[in-house]
Amino acid sequence: QVTLRESGPALVKPTQTLTLTCTFSGFSLSTSGMCVSWVRQPPGKALEWLALIDWDDDKYYSTSLKTRLTISKDTSKNQVVLTMTNMDPVDTATYYCARIAMVRGVTEYYFDYWGQGTLVTVSS
Amino acid sequence: EIVMTQSPATLSVSPGERATLSCRASQSVSSNLAWYQQKPGQAPRLLIYGASTRATGIPARFSGSGSGTEFTLTISSLQSEDFAVYYCQQYNNWPPCTFGQGTKLEIK
Repeated sequence: QVTLRESGPALVKPTQTLTLTCTFSGFSLSTSGMCVSWVRQPPGKALEWLALIDWDDDKYYSTSLKTRLTISKDTSKNQVVLTMTNMDPVDTATYYCARIAMVRGVTEYYFDYWGQGTLVTVSS
Repeated sequence: EIVMTQSPATLSVSPGERATLSCRASQSVSSNLAWYQQKPGQAPRLLIYGASTRATGIPARFSGSGSGTEFTLTISSLQSEDFAVYYCQQYNNWPPCTFGQGTKLEIK
């Protein structure tokens, strides 16, 4: 059974750095082709892809947020960590981690399992 | 970056009727298109991938079609639990993946 769970602060101040942790089970990020991603959703708005890390430690970032994001993994702990620097009120959103699908051993870049999300509010 | 445009923004349909949601890509994404359903306070749920393949456990009343730049999600005989927001996502040109802005399916 695949599960993902996000954790981190519910409230951060402007200019602070946000650190979110995705703890997952039911799969291993050391398996060839496996990837985990972060997606966010401001209240009442659409989904926005942020970052992805794969089994080989390759990392990909949203073009618009690239300078502020860092994604990393700890395979032994089944965790993926996202940091976002210089937080602003416009970054208020629910942040999701999600697993990238693998179909017959091939990575397909859609999301087959999602965490329940964690709401992060940026306010002084 | 490929832009995904969904229409309409809001769709009002009566229970038992058919709903047709559209998604258009700014350039061809082949069949690399997924649909998700999101209910209030919940994470998105994968419905369709490969433009037309239902994900595990998704009822047969959900169907997807299209390729290239034009895609459709059809829900036949709407059930009360189907009223939600639906998003399309292209994964042909990665990174980034891109989502549409969503269609809210509401009860008429």
